[in-house]
Amino acid sequence: GAVVSQHPSWVICKSGTSVKIECRSLDFQATTMFWYRQFPKQSLMLMATSNEGSKATYEQGVEKDKFLINHASLTLSTLTVTSAHPEDSSFYICSARDVGQGGNQPQHFGDGTRLSIL
Amino acid sequence: DQQVKQNSPSLSVQEGRISILNCDYTNSMFDYFLWYKKYPAEGPTFLISISSIKDKNEDGRFTVFLNKSAKHLSLHIVPSQPGDSAVYFCAASALGNEKLTFGTGTRLTIIP
Repeated sequence: GAVVSQHPSWVICKSGTSVKIECRSLDFQATTMFWYRQFPKQSLMLMATSNEGSKATYEQGVEKDKFLINHASLTLSTLTVTSAHPEDSSFYICSARDVGQGGNQPQHFGDGTRLSIL
Repeated sequence: DQQVKQNSPSLSVQEGRISILNCDYTNSMFDYFLWYKKYPAEGPTFLISISSIKDKNEDGRFTVFLNKSAKHLSLHIVPSQPGDSAVYFCAASALGNEKLTFGTGTRLTIIP
C-alpha cells in the first residue's frame, strides 16, 4: 500500500528557532499533500494543502508566513515552522493520496512529528 | 462548526464482542467517508472507506454502514481484539474535494 514517511518524529528546540518537517511519499507520486495539526485529545485539523509546483492553500486562521510550505517535487513536501514559540508546540501530521490508483483513494498519513518548543 | 461528529469520546468492549463506533455529519455535500485508527504519537492508519453510492462496505472484521438520510455512519468491528484498542476517527470529503474533515475521535478500549 501507499507509504508516507515523515521526518523528524520528534523535535525539541528553543523559542525563536525555525523547524523544518519533511513529508515523503515513498512508493507513489503525490501532486497534493496535506498538513494537519493535532492538539492533545483533539481532532486533526487541516492546516494547508500543499500543491506540487505551486503555492500552498491555507485554511482559515493559519498564518502562511508562520507555516511555510514547499512542495518542490512529486514525492516531497516540507513544512517550516518559522520563529517557533511555545504555542506552536503540537503534533504535526502530513498525508498524501495515491491518485494514480484511480477512483476514490484514501489519504495515507505519515507517523507525525511531535514539536516541543521550550 | 463541527461538520463531522463522534458523540462518544470513549467506548469499552469485551474482547470477542462487537464494537460499534458511530459518526454523524451535517454537510450533505460529503460523499466519501473513511475510518482511521490512531495510536498515540503516531499518524492515523486507514481502515476502511465507503462511497455515498453504497450503504455497506466490509473488509475482514471491519464493516462500515452508511445511512445517508440520517447522515450517519458506523464502524462495526467483530470480533473485537485487544489490538483494536486505539482512537478511531471518522472522516469525510466532498465530491471533487480532496480535503478531509475529521471527527473528534472515539477512544476504544477492548477489555481482555
